[in-house]
Parts: sequence; structure tokens; C-alpha cells
Amino acid sequence: ETGVTQSPTHLIKTRGQQVTLRCSSQSGHNTVSWYQQALGQGPQFIFQYYREEENGRGNFPPRFSGLQFPNYSSELNVNALELDDSALYLCASSLGDRGRRDTQYFGPGTRLTVL
Amino acid sequence: GDSVTQMEGPVTLSEEAFLTINCTYTATGYPSLFWYVQYPGEGLQLLLKATKADDKGSNKGFEATYRKETTSFHLEKGSVQVSDSAVYFCALSGNTDKLIFGTGTRLQVFP
Repeated sequence: ETGVTQSPTHLIKTRGQQVTLRCSSQSGHNTVSWYQQALGQGPQFIFQYYREEENGRGNFPPRFSGLQFPNYSSELNVNALELDDSALYLCASSLGDRGRRDTQYFGPGTRLTVL
Repeated sequence: GDSVTQMEGPVTLSEEAFLTINCTYTATGYPSLFWYVQYPGEGLQLLLKATKADDKGSNKGFEATYRKETTSFHLEKGSVQVSDSAVYFCALSGNTDKLIFGTGTRLQVFP
């Protein structure tokens, strides 16, 4: 059983650019959640995808968007990058069902630096 | 809204000392509670969880009990090791699947 994987490990972009981060969920999991962890802070919920549909969104602007594919892998896209977008982006997968909470398992994260 | 409050760090201990990291929460209903650990340069690993009042989660010598009357989920370990040095996050999952995290507590254990 493979765990959650993320790519790339590190990324450097400049302000105004666009970025795509990728996540492969743990085998058998159908739900992917994305979190942003600023330096020295706890992770903040960005959004969640369940069976290819958005299933909840945190307090992030629309330039943060996502996608989930039929194999339940996922992408996080951020447009018009700002300096404050520099953070560790974490993906977590779970075996969810509407109305049921399941434990989320995290990947190693992608460290994004915006210059 | 729902929230989690953790004691500020860093917590500095000698090897084999007793560890307590305090965590309290605010939530409507009956959330599930979690402790995650983050080692330097890595993502989050689930340490333990509890899904209802009076449940005790345990793993690798760490324990935490879900106390609804005090809205707490304090993390304890009887004898810490240098390898336990990491950042520990308390989190809750309420009516939705999203996790709400505390700000984290850094633990430093010296030999």
C-alpha cells in the first residue's frame, strides 16, 4: 500500500506567476484535502475534493483552485502568485463518505517560495 | 467557529522526563480529536486520535484522553526520547471533514 505522494518537493516562483502542485492519494482513498502551512503556523484548510467534486472550501480567494481526477489524484492551482503564498502545501487523503469523517493521512508537502 | 488552542513552545525536556502538551478546543457538537507530529522537513504524521468523549488514543507511548467536560485533549508521554523532538499539532474535525489545527508546540529533548 503506497502512501500519499506530492510533487514537486520544492518550487520557486516569482510574483504574478501561476503554479500547479500535484498529489497522489493513498491507495483506496477517494477524498483529497489541501492545506497551506505558513512558517511557524498550523496548517490551514484550503479545500477538499470528494469523488471529483469540491466538497468544502476554506477562507482562500478564487485564485486558489483545484481538480480531482478519476483515479482520485489531485492538483492545486494558484494563479497570480503573491509573496504571502510562500508556504508548505500539504495534501491529505482519506476514505470519505458524505456525512462520515475519516482520518486524513498527509503527504510530505511541497515547499513553495514566491520571490 | 470551531478552534483549537495549544500551549506555546518550545517545550524543552531532558531525556526520560514526563511530557504534557496542553490542548483545548471549541466546537459545536461532538468533534473527533487528533494529535499529529511533524519532524523537521517532513509532512504531518498521525500520532493518535479519539472520536468520542472519554476515549483514550495511544501510540508509541503517547496518550491523550478526550475530555468533553473540560474540552481538552492533552498529550502525555511518561518518558521522552531525543527522537521525540518534533512539532506536535492538536486538531479537530467537526461537522465537516476539514481539520482545524492549533498553532503547534515544538518539543526539544536533550540527552
